[in-house]
Amino acid sequence: GNSVTQMEGPVTLSEEAFLTINCTYTATGYPSLFWYVQYPGEGLQLLLKATKADDKGSNKGFEATYRKETTSFHLEKGSVQVSDSAVYFCALSARPTDSWGKLQFGAGTQVVVTP
Amino acid sequence: DGGITQSPKYLFRKEGQNVTLSCEQNLNHDAMYWYRQDPGQGLRLIYYSQIVNDFQKGDIAEGYSVSREKKESFPLTVTSAQKNPTAFYLCASGAGGNEQFFGPGTRLTVL
Repeated sequence: GNSVTQMEGPVTLSEEAFLTINCTYTATGYPSLFWYVQYPGEGLQLLLKATKADDKGSNKGFEATYRKETTSFHLEKGSVQVSDSAVYFCALSARPTDSWGKLQFGAGTQVVVTP
Repeated sequence: DGGITQSPKYLFRKEGQNVTLSCEQNLNHDAMYWYRQDPGQGLRLIYYSQIVNDFQKGDIAEGYSVSREKKESFPLTVTSAQKNPTAFYLCASGAGGNEQFFGPGTRLTVL
């Protein structure tokens, strides 16, 4: 079956440090890949997505590249801020779409950015 | 503004009671989903619906029930058969095959 594995947290960084959160997946076919962010006590917000190999998703300074050869979708940001403290979820949506867009989530990685 | 609303934000249940969590969307999405989130864990799918009057069990449907009488609404009932219902419940909607949009969540606590 499909699965998503992401690095365990918490990841603790100083402000302006470089952030990487590793995400690898197992899926048949060609899934779409997503990163969601969850701030304390809130729902999930879509951060970025990629729908085919070599696509790069980007938003708010975050980037992730869909690497089919390594089945990875690592999230990166060059200079984090305290406001980036949150839990980040990697997810995939398997194709064909008879699965109707069901998402498979990783366990989440908590990121803590200190001033 | 288009979006998803969930109510209430906090809900307390006594043992043996059924409670219903509300989810409404005005995004005109066909598909809707319910997830459960436990502390430090990812999201687990409870039920999903592709179309009005149709829904499917997810990975952890036992002790839960849903209905989909209107496109905009997908309420979740947590029944007394759910032995460990304390969790954060998230509703989402999607256009099928693409990303999902999430509501703000309902935190359910069993007293």
